[in-house]
Amino acid sequence: EAGVVQSPRYKIIEKKQPVAFWCNPISGHNTLYWYRQNLGQGPELLIRYENEEAVDDSQLPKDRFSAERLKGVDSTLKIQPAELGDSAVYLCASSLVVVAGGFDEQFFGPGTRLTVL
Amino acid sequence: DQQVKQNSPSLSVQEGRISILNCDYTNSMFDYFLWYKKYPAEGPTFLISISSIKDKNEDGRFTVFLNKSAKHLSLHIVPSQPGDSAVYFCAAVGGADGLTFGKGTHLIIQP
Repeated sequence: EAGVVQSPRYKIIEKKQPVAFWCNPISGHNTLYWYRQNLGQGPELLIRYENEEAVDDSQLPKDRFSAERLKGVDSTLKIQPAELGDSAVYLCASSLVVVAGGFDEQFFGPGTRLTVL
Repeated sequence: DQQVKQNSPSLSVQEGRISILNCDYTNSMFDYFLWYKKYPAEGPTFLISISSIKDKNEDGRFTVFLNKSAKHLSLHIVPSQPGDSAVYFCAAVGGADGLTFGKGTHLIIQP
């Protein structure tokens, strides 16, 4: 079974340019997460989807970041315009179901390493 | 303020010995704790978890211990093998939220 797929793996852009990342979760996983991992830090949650609904986007910088998960499968994370501080690895993860009071393992993709010059 | 803390950025252990990675947390609402392993250029992979109602969970060479009163957990790897060299992230979750990660500990297994 294929894991979480992300593309591109690497992206280098100049500041003020737009950029988009794509994620295809594991088939059947209804919950999808976007994390950002800065150098020397652990991943930090940006947004969580249950099916096509964003149920937690409190950490998403909404002035420049946007995300969508049309049809509750693939997801796209966009930054417009990018700033120098956006350089990081952007990780996508998916899980089968999130039950109140329970936990389901999150499976991570390889990430997209963004460098903003 | 960091809710999950891993105070050792790196740890070097001789092959065959025990590796002990530590993690502290501040949020008493966390009800699951997990350890993830990460190789360079790959995403984190799940290693082992423990519910807040337990104090120990074992899976092969990996054991996680939870001390709720001290808000502390640890991951024991015994015996340590060269393939265990990686960055280990401690993570916690409360309810249906996403994971809160520590900064990671780089484990180096020396031959």
